[in-house]
Amino acid sequence: EAGVTQSPTHLIKTRGQQATLRCSPISGHTSVYWYQQALGLGLQFLLWYDEGEERNRGNFPPRFSGRQFPNYSSELNVNALELEDSALYLCASSLRRMTGEEKLFFGSGTQLSVL
Amino acid sequence: DAKTTQPTSMDCAEGRAANLPCNHSTISGNEYVYWYRQIHSQGPQYIIHGLKNNETNEMASLIITEDRKSSTLILPHATLRDTAVYYCIVRDPMEYGNKLVFGAGTILRVKS
Repeated sequence: EAGVTQSPTHLIKTRGQQATLRCSPISGHTSVYWYQQALGLGLQFLLWYDEGEERNRGNFPPRFSGRQFPNYSSELNVNALELEDSALYLCASSLRRMTGEEKLFFGSGTQLSVL
Repeated sequence: DAKTTQPTSMDCAEGRAANLPCNHSTISGNEYVYWYRQIHSQGPQYIIHGLKNNETNEMASLIITEDRKSSTLILPHATLRDTAVYYCIVRDPMEYGNKLVFGAGTILRVKS
């Protein structure tokens, strides 16, 4: 069974440009999470989508946005890129159980570099 | 904010058990304890989770104290490939909009 896949693996942009990152969840998973991990720092929660809707959002400016498609894949868009947006962006998917317990399965991430 | 405290780093000899402690003294009755690990430059990997009973799977064992204020992740026979950052997280699965909050974790170094 395929795991969570993210594309591209690496992305180089210049300041002010827009970046689009993509995530395909594990088949059957309806929830997608996005995290940012800057170099040497911990994972910061960005966004959570479930059943096509944005369910929660971390403490990030509005230029970070995304969506989830009917097939549960997801896209993260970062507008007006700034140097400090350089980070590893991780996507995770999960299947929410009736008890609420869930395991997150992470992809390998997209390394975004803003020059 | 993370609701757990973990040692910054630990060393373990290859082949020995690695015992990683976690303090979660403010844990509530509905919150589960989750453990993930992140090997360098990869996405985090789920290890195990539990509510109040001890749990074991093919990767590790989770020992939760009776008062649930602390727990220990046990890797029974650590290998060099277990070198990673280990995150202990508490989470209420029924809290709407809840998400996994990752703290700094424990850097485990397995040495030969």
